[in-house]
Amino acid sequence: KQEVTQIPAALSVPEGENLVLNCSFTDSAIYNLQWFRQDPGKGLTSLLLIQSSQREQTSGRLNASLDKSSGRSTLYIAASQPGDSATYLCAVAIYNQGGKLIFGQGTELSVKP
Amino acid sequence: KAGVTQTPRYLIKTRGQQVTLSCSPISGHRSVSWYQQTPGQGLQFLFEYFSETQRNKGNFPGRFSGRQFSNSRSEMNVSTLELGDSALYLCASSPWDSDYNEQFFGPGTRLTVL
Repeated sequence: KQEVTQIPAALSVPEGENLVLNCSFTDSAIYNLQWFRQDPGKGLTSLLLIQSSQREQTSGRLNASLDKSSGRSTLYIAASQPGDSATYLCAVAIYNQGGKLIFGQGTELSVKP
Repeated sequence: KAGVTQTPRYLIKTRGQQVTLSCSPISGHRSVSWYQQTPGQGLQFLFEYFSETQRNKGNFPGRFSGRQFSNSRSEMNVSTLELGDSALYLCASSPWDSDYNEQFFGPGTRLTVL
């Protein structure tokens, strides 16, 4: 059974810091991995999707990496800003399970001005 | 393109009632998935519909059901509501026409069961 874990559960940093969020999964037979952002009481915003054949994806100040063999992904946020404060979720899609995503519990990020 | 829309945004029901939630996917997307989000359990997969057929189902009781129409719009129904059904219900759509199947989520429906 696929399980997704995110560490840390919460993180507080001063503005301007570079930071790394971690995601691990137990079964390497993933189709893709997607990082999302969720603001309180809101829906999920897709940040980055990494296909199983890819090693990393970049969008602006965000960089996500994927190491299937070790079952790990990281989301790197450069030069953090107060507007980055949100919960960050990673989710994996499994082969032969259609669009089903398995989510981690999320990392709640607070960036202090 | 317009994003994923969900209606209603908020609902208050009492135990024993039933409820129907609606999701309109991004135009051209054929896959619609539903998730339940609670503080204790996080995001849990309910079911997925693709071309009007349920393609995958999570571990929820039969009180939770859904369907998809020919225009890809989807509804989910919860019958005989319980207090524990209070949650944010999210739907996601995906094109599912290539290897790059990014999923896009709607704003959610907040269901409160009293």
